Amino acid sequence: AQRVTQPEKLLSVFKGAPVELKCNYSYSGSPELFWYVQYSRQRLQLLLRHISRESIKGFTADLNKGETSFHLKKPFAQEEDSAMYYCALSIDTDKLIFGTGTRLQVFP
Amino acid sequence: DTGVSQDPRHKITKRGQNVTFRCDPISEHNRLYWYRQTLGQGPEFLTYFQNEAQLEKSRLLSDRFSAERPKGSFSTLEIQRTEQGDSAMYLCASTASRDTQYFGPGTRLTVL
Repeated sequence: AQRVTQPEKLLSVFKGAPVELKCNYSYSGSPELFWYVQYSRQRLQLLLRHISRESIKGFTADLNKGETSFHLKKPFAQEEDSAMYYCALSIDTDKLIFGTGTRLQVFP
Repeated sequence: DTGVSQDPRHKITKRGQNVTFRCDPISEHNRLYWYRQTLGQGPEFLTYFQNEAQLEKSRLLSDRFSAERPKGSFSTLEIQRTEQGDSAMYLCASTASRDTQYFGPGTRLTVL
């Protein structure tokens, strides 16, 4: 069955430190992967998708099919990056399968 | 605001009552999705519409749940005979085909 795993519920770093939020998936087909972010009191919104290969707000994510991973990285965390981050896999009818999320806390 | 809207934002009901939620997608988006999110979990897919046709339903959607999208515009999600296990955030998202899904603010349901 298709599954997305985010092993860390909480990741705490200091401002300026590098950040890596882990995401692994299981899917036998060609996956389309996303990172969604939810800031406090805001709705869920797209951060980036692997096919666009963009860097959004300094975040990047590379799809590694061999390791079935799509980790989210940022070299220097900012306080405004504090939020809930969800990795998601899109299949078939474009429905999204989400991981359980990782809360990122960036301390000053 | 031209984003996805949901109504109500909060609903408290007693066990056994029926509730109905509404989602207004971004205009011209032909696909509409419903998800449910419980505490500590990511959103879980419930059902999906392309225009007015309901094309897929999750096994999570028991017989007490029904969704409609008349005329391919807004959608409603009804839960009959609510149970405490139905307490969750119900999210709606819309998209044009194979594009980014845009989420609404959600409806938080509490079943007492």
